[in-house]
Amino acid sequence: SSELTQDPAVSVALGQTVRITCQGDSLTKYYASWYQQKPGQAPVLVIYGENNRPSGIPDRFSGSSSGNTASLTIAGAQAEDEADYYCNSRDSSGNQMVFGGGTKLTVL
Amino acid sequence: EVQLVESGGGLVKPGGSLRLSCAASGFAFSSYGMTWVRQAPGKGLEWVSSISGESAYIYYADSVKGRFTISRDNAKSSLYLQMNSLRVEDTAVYFCARALRYCINGVCNHWFDPWGQGTLVTVSS
Repeated sequence: SSELTQDPAVSVALGQTVRITCQGDSLTKYYASWYQQKPGQAPVLVIYGENNRPSGIPDRFSGSSSGNTASLTIAGAQAEDEADYYCNSRDSSGNQMVFGGGTKLTVL
Repeated sequence: EVQLVESGGGLVKPGGSLRLSCAASGFAFSSYGMTWVRQAPGKGLEWVSSISGESAYIYYADSVKGRFTISRDNAKSSLYLQMNSLRVEDTAVYFCARALRYCINGVCNHWFDPWGQGTLVTVSS
């Protein structure tokens, strides 16, 4: 079982805003990083740290954190944003890393 | 361009061994930690193991501890994963990724970027 909990599936209308959440005790101490994975492809980092985007990631992607919950927000979702999204952070002990179970985002 | 290329996957019987490799290029390999992450067919991502730049710090997931060994050869810009006593449940695509971190006030946050394309390990009789 994962120490980071994500909703299995979320949907959003094209052009609307969607928030994907990740819950876990370790998130009160550590930031989550977020990864986008499309079918048959390797994961791609989209958000890390407090709210940082790697080069090449559109600014419609943003991150935030409150208490034990980290959030990935996509403002104005596009068809190409349809993918699985995973959060990652350290576990409660701080000695291991853990991924959330993933959220399948559907853009309607 | 930063690039990671995994190799060494294949079909192995339960109880067997396999050694994965990850060839890195485009960055100062010894200055970065590295990690292995796996994904079973149709399932989510699972962190497997991480190693610091000079191999001083090594961590494993409980599911592989005692069976898998992570190592690196900085002279060859290569990362390895020696997998012994393989089980059916180890069947997955194995990705290597560069591990980055930022520490403030003694708290270190980590993230993985970029990732290789993955190599498939199938454990079956």
